[in-house]
Amino acid sequence: ETGVTQSPTHLIKTRGQQVTLRCSSQSGHNTVSWYQQALGQGPQFIFQYYREEENGRGNFPPRFSGLQFPNYSSELNVNALELDDSALYLCASSTSGGSYEQYFGPGTRLTVT
Amino acid sequence: RKEVEQDPGPFNVPEGATVAFNCTYSNSASQSFFWYRQDCRKEPKLLMSVYSSGNEDGRFTAQLNRASQYISLLIRDSKLSDSATYLCVVNMGNFNKFYFGSGTKLNVKP
Repeated sequence: ETGVTQSPTHLIKTRGQQVTLRCSSQSGHNTVSWYQQALGQGPQFIFQYYREEENGRGNFPPRFSGLQFPNYSSELNVNALELDDSALYLCASSTSGGSYEQYFGPGTRLTVT
Repeated sequence: RKEVEQDPGPFNVPEGATVAFNCTYSNSASQSFFWYRQDCRKEPKLLMSVYSSGNEDGRFTAQLNRASQYISLLIRDSKLSDSATYLCVVNMGNFNKFYFGSGTKLNVKP
């Protein structure tokens, strides 16, 4: 077990709604990255948070936003959900500097209908 | 062109076989490289980091070729439990963006 937790495990939402996903990082890790993984694809980098600020972003629209809290836990918010947002959302924690090895949580499976 | 490309497979091999996967990356400034393993409907798990000098962990050997911009993973004496999807991951030089390949599926058969 990595010590990274995510909630909820599964979620079903309707197109146009908003969703918040949560992640608690592994003890000692101060950096959290979020990924979207569609079926049969590799994870796609959404963004990374370090010291409560966004610290790098992939090719995702602004309706994907996030937060990091002083305890390094993080939230991913997605507004105006689209059918294509249906995917496994993974968070990964790591330390800044050093090896940059990332450790993943079990993911939240989001279904948009 | 994708930042990281892998042969999707599947690679179907018998137990005890040696199998190798390659992964190519597009950005020559890439700094860090990793192999992850992902079981069906589970999260990716770090298998090993890939160092310039190459590295070995038991039956697994990873190599980096910066000149040709590819990394490889060699699995010796395959076990049934090695069946999974193997993901190549590259950090694109600014340490804040990680790019995954689509994964190579390995099926080890009795």
